[in-house]
Amino acid sequence: GAGVSQSPRYKVAKRGQDVALRCDPISGHVSLFWYQQALGQGPEFLTYFQNEAQLDKSGLPSDRFFAERPEGSVSTLKIQRTQQEDSAVYLCASSPRDSSLYEQYFGPGTRLTVT
Amino acid sequence: GENVEQHPSTLSVQEGDSAVIKCTYSDSASNYFPWYKQELGKGPQLIIDIRSNVGEKKDQRIAVTLNKTAKHFSLHITETQPEDSAVYFCAASTDSWGKLQFGAGTQVVVTP
Repeated sequence: GAGVSQSPRYKVAKRGQDVALRCDPISGHVSLFWYQQALGQGPEFLTYFQNEAQLDKSGLPSDRFFAERPEGSVSTLKIQRTQQEDSAVYLCASSPRDSSLYEQYFGPGTRLTVT
Repeated sequence: GENVEQHPSTLSVQEGDSAVIKCTYSDSASNYFPWYKQELGKGPQLIIDIRSNVGEKKDQRIAVTLNKTAKHFSLHITETQPEDSAVYFCAASTDSWGKLQFGAGTQVVVTP
């Protein structure tokens, strides 16, 4: 079946521009996570949604980062006034249940380059 | 919070040999430990996982062991093949809805 999809796959932004990254989770998955992966590093947690509720945003690095999942399906991660340090791969993952004991399936990621 | 350390950072093996990657975690409340394989330009792919009520799990050439007392877990790949070359990440989950803390990754290179 269809896995997690993300768009765009690549995004180049000039410093100061706003960007929006989209995630389409696996149909019916309750949980949705965003992670940030710097070059050569493991993914770092950004935020978590259970259906449409954002229950954890402790990993968002600044108030320039905003995420939403208004209908409990598609999610958008928005970064305002992008900075060079925002350059990274942004990964989305979904899970069938709202429990730590269930698998997370990742999308291919969006590679953001801020120039 | 949880801290996961992963060793080695790079691992070079001959085709057909075994590869072992080890991870340690800090939070004794961690209860779920997945392993991901990431190829260049792709997202992490779940290859095997283990829950805290199990000590070992095997899936064909891949196995994972968990030692809760020592707070470490390991990935074992037997009969390695060139297509096993990738970066492997371990992770641990503690909070109630599954936020994952990842290790730094191991670059595995399998030479023919």
